[in-house]
Amino acid sequence: DTGVSQDPRHKITKRGQNVTFRCDPISEHNRLYWYRQTLGQGPEFLTYFQNEAQLEKSRLLSDRFSAERPKGSFSTLEIQRTEQGDSAMYLCASSFYTSGWAEKLFFGSGTQLSVL
Amino acid sequence: AQSVTQLDSHVSVSEGTPVLLRCNYSSSYSPSLFWYVQHPNKGLQLLLKYTSAATLVKGINGFEAEFKKSETSFHLTKPSAHMSDAAEYFCVVSEAAGNKLTFGGGTRVLVKP
Repeated sequence: DTGVSQDPRHKITKRGQNVTFRCDPISEHNRLYWYRQTLGQGPEFLTYFQNEAQLEKSRLLSDRFSAERPKGSFSTLEIQRTEQGDSAMYLCASSFYTSGWAEKLFFGSGTQLSVL
Repeated sequence: AQSVTQLDSHVSVSEGTPVLLRCNYSSSYSPSLFWYVQHPNKGLQLLLKYTSAATLVKGINGFEAEFKKSETSFHLTKPSAHMSDAAEYFCVVSEAAGNKLTFGGGTRVLVKP
């Protein structure tokens, strides 16, 4: 178990630029989640995938945000035309879901985005 | 809709004394409840989870939580705090199996020597 990896750890960008983050889940996990955490708050759900299918998106995910998981393995989260309000920690989590009760999520260390 | 309220944003305890972190939830259905811990520069780690089996749930590192449906509470306790317990703790609710998690605002725990 190598854990969930996120890249980069930190990203500083100027307002209006596009950024892309990558998440590599634990290899056998079929579900992948994206969360956003701002300072002093708990993480907020953004979206999740089961294999390559994006099953749910939060209303927090404006049309400037897009996420993909093309082969059901790694995922990317892109933010277009970044705004200062996008500054946050972006967390990725993965899990192995079969059926029944809520499964355990394994979180990565996150990508800290600062928009200047 | 589901929501979680953590009643204390900060808790300060002395090493060796009990820790109590309070959590109340709101859910339309029978929820799954979790406690996660976040140490600086590390990923969130699951401490324990409740999924309608025993109401007293034991987790890692000596933590346990009790589900009280009548009070809609899921408080986290530990009999004796250790310096390594200093971290941020999140109470989390999920209404549907495998669905999105709703986090509380977090409680930052400070452990004094």
